[in-house]
Amino acid sequence: DGGITQSPKYLFRKEGQNVTLSCEQNLNHDAMYWYRQDPGQGLRLIYYSQIVNDFQKGDIAEGYSVSREKKESFPLTVTSAQKNPTAFYLCASNALDSNQPQHFGDGTRLSIL
Amino acid sequence: AQSVTQPDIHITVSEGASLELRCNYSYGATPYLFWYVQSPGQGLQLLLKYFSGDTLVQGIKGFEAEFKRSQSSFNLRKPSVHWSDAAEYFCAVGASGGYQKVTFGTGTKLQVIP
Repeated sequence: DGGITQSPKYLFRKEGQNVTLSCEQNLNHDAMYWYRQDPGQGLRLIYYSQIVNDFQKGDIAEGYSVSREKKESFPLTVTSAQKNPTAFYLCASNALDSNQPQHFGDGTRLSIL
Repeated sequence: AQSVTQPDIHITVSEGASLELRCNYSYGATPYLFWYVQSPGQGLQLLLKYFSGDTLVQGIKGFEAEFKRSQSSFNLRKPSVHWSDAAEYFCAVGASGGYQKVTFGTGTKLQVIP
């Protein structure tokens, strides 16, 4: 079945450490997105990518980095510069050639040790 | 700038009762509107979407929503709620086609009591 796979489901970060969240999709979608979800705040866009080797900052990009070396993959790195990384992170994707909504993965919960 | 308001943070209904979740949006052109549902610890699942055409939209799991341009609203309804509908519901607004700059509301958490 086609879908979006996020791993790991739970991740713990030590102070000063960078961690990388994985997002893989087999839907052949062009665009991919990373959101951060905090209780009572809805979803906020971190980064998005419309094509391989290109990506743009969203509303809260500081302390995060991404890459898009393959169409299927859009990993997110939470750097030590992100002072409040504890949150639920959601990856999404959609096709660009039609009015299709975003499909979401099951998320990764990141916590600080 | 586009925005979405979900005025109800938490709603409790009895199983079998009807449900209406409110959503108001702000958008400069014809909006592309969505309702998503999220179970605890899970991703978002699309319930329904509206872009154009009939203003009453049918979705999955027996949900429907009505687009009212004059009221800038896109309320979600279900005639009879089931215990499995307990979840958090998000309304969203965005542009159609291409890269989607989608803005999400803060969500409404639905509790269903027997």
